[in-house]
Amino acid sequence: EDKVVQSPLSLVVHEGDTVTLNCSYEVTNFRSLLWYKQEKKAPTFLFMLTSSGIEKKSGRLSSILDKKELFSILNITATQTGDSAVYLCAVRMDSNYQLIWGAGTKLIIKP
Amino acid sequence: NAGVMQNPRHLVRRRGQEARLRCSPMKGHSHVYWYRQLPEEGLKFMVYLQKENIIDESGMPKERFSAEFPKEGPSILRIQQVVRGDSAAYFCASSPSIQILYGYTFGSGTRLTVV
Repeated sequence: EDKVVQSPLSLVVHEGDTVTLNCSYEVTNFRSLLWYKQEKKAPTFLFMLTSSGIEKKSGRLSSILDKKELFSILNITATQTGDSAVYLCAVRMDSNYQLIWGAGTKLIIKP
Repeated sequence: NAGVMQNPRHLVRRRGQEARLRCSPMKGHSHVYWYRQLPEEGLKFMVYLQKENIIDESGMPKERFSAEFPKEGPSILRIQQVVRGDSAAYFCASSPSIQILYGYTFGSGTRLTVV
C-alpha cells in the first residue's frame, strides 16, 4: 500500500530556533514530492522536489529530497510565530493527479 | 482571480440529513479534485472530475456520496443521510489541466459537523 509518513507529529519550539521536519514515503511509480503549509484553511504550496540532492530554498525555508532513502526534509531557520502551522507532505505518482498525503507535522512556535 | 471558492465554510447537519458542498474552481481551470481531511490526519483523495465527467471516484465511498461538475456552475459534493463519521473538512482543488506541475490550488474548505 502506498504511504507517506511524517515525523514528528507535533513540535513545539521557541522563536529563533531551527526545525527539521521529516517525510518518508513508500509508493509505486514516484514522480515528485510536495510540501504544503496549512494554517486553519487551504494548504498553500511551498516546494516541489523531483531530483535527489538538489536543495530548494525560499527565504528561511529549504527542502531536499533523497530518492535512494525515500525521504525528504523541510528546514526552517530562525523560526517566527508566523511559522506556526501544520506542514503537509504529499507524493505525486505517475498517475499525474493523485497525491498521497502524510498526516502532517503540527509546528508551534512560542514567542 | 478569486481563487478556488468553496461554500459554505461551515456546515452543521443532523444525522440523516443531506449535505451539499460547493466548489467553484479558479478561472480557466476545468479539473476539480475533492479531498477529505479528518482531524489529525492527512488529506484523502475522494474524486477527480472534469466538466460533465467523473474521471476517478476511487476514493469516494460507494454509498451516500456523489459528485458532479456540470457544464455550468460549481462542482457539488453531495452526502446523503449523513452520519457522525462524515464530520471532516472537505477541500476542493483545481488545476488547468491534468498536467499538475506545482500541485493544486486549494479552496479554504468546508468544515462539516454532523450532530
